[in-house]
Amino acid sequence: DGGITQSPKYLFRKEGQNVTLSCEQNLNHDAMYWYRQDPGQGLRLIYYSQIVNDFQKGDIAEGYSVSREKKESFPLTVTSAQKNPTAFYLCASSMEGVSYNEQFFGPGTRLTVL
Amino acid sequence: AQSVSQHNHHVILSEAASLELGCNYSYGGTVNLFWYVQYPGQHLQLLLKYFSGDPLVKGIKGFEAEFIKSKFSFNLRKPSVQWSDTAEYFCAVNHGSGNTGKLIFGQGTTLQVKP
Repeated sequence: DGGITQSPKYLFRKEGQNVTLSCEQNLNHDAMYWYRQDPGQGLRLIYYSQIVNDFQKGDIAEGYSVSREKKESFPLTVTSAQKNPTAFYLCASSMEGVSYNEQFFGPGTRLTVL
Repeated sequence: AQSVSQHNHHVILSEAASLELGCNYSYGGTVNLFWYVQYPGQHLQLLLKYFSGDPLVKGIKGFEAEFIKSKFSFNLRKPSVQWSDTAEYFCAVNHGSGNTGKLIFGQGTTLQVKP
């Protein structure tokens, strides 16, 4: 059953701690993306990767970091430098990182900073 | 900066009513346009997309959207909504001349359909 998995579903973190969100896809897609969803603001792009070992900053990359060591995996680290990390995080992938391709989304991780 | 605007933040309709959700974007060049839907408890999924050809595109579940280049708009329509259409709807734009999958999303519209 192909798709995108994100774990954990819910994550709680204390202020000052780094935390890593997992994203795995078995769709054999080249491109992967991380978005942040806040109420009333839609989705905003954090980072994206078009191929393995390469990634680019999106519109709100400050306080986040990523890696793309394997085609199927694109973990996101929320660092202590992110000033307002409480949000819903969505991972997506597409066959190629081109403009007309549909993106497929995972179920999301809800991060709460205590 | 490029932006996408969805004017209706929260829409409440009765079943069988007609639906039109507005979407406007600010980029003047070639664009690819998408509508995504997020049903309660489900993944965000594609409703329909436009990248070339007929500006009236049809999607899943009876939805359609019309690309009007002169108005920078891509409004979503459905002639008769059902209770199961209750969801959050997102318009998204990608610069067609670019070579990346970067999407810019609108703020989203929450649709509530009353039975």
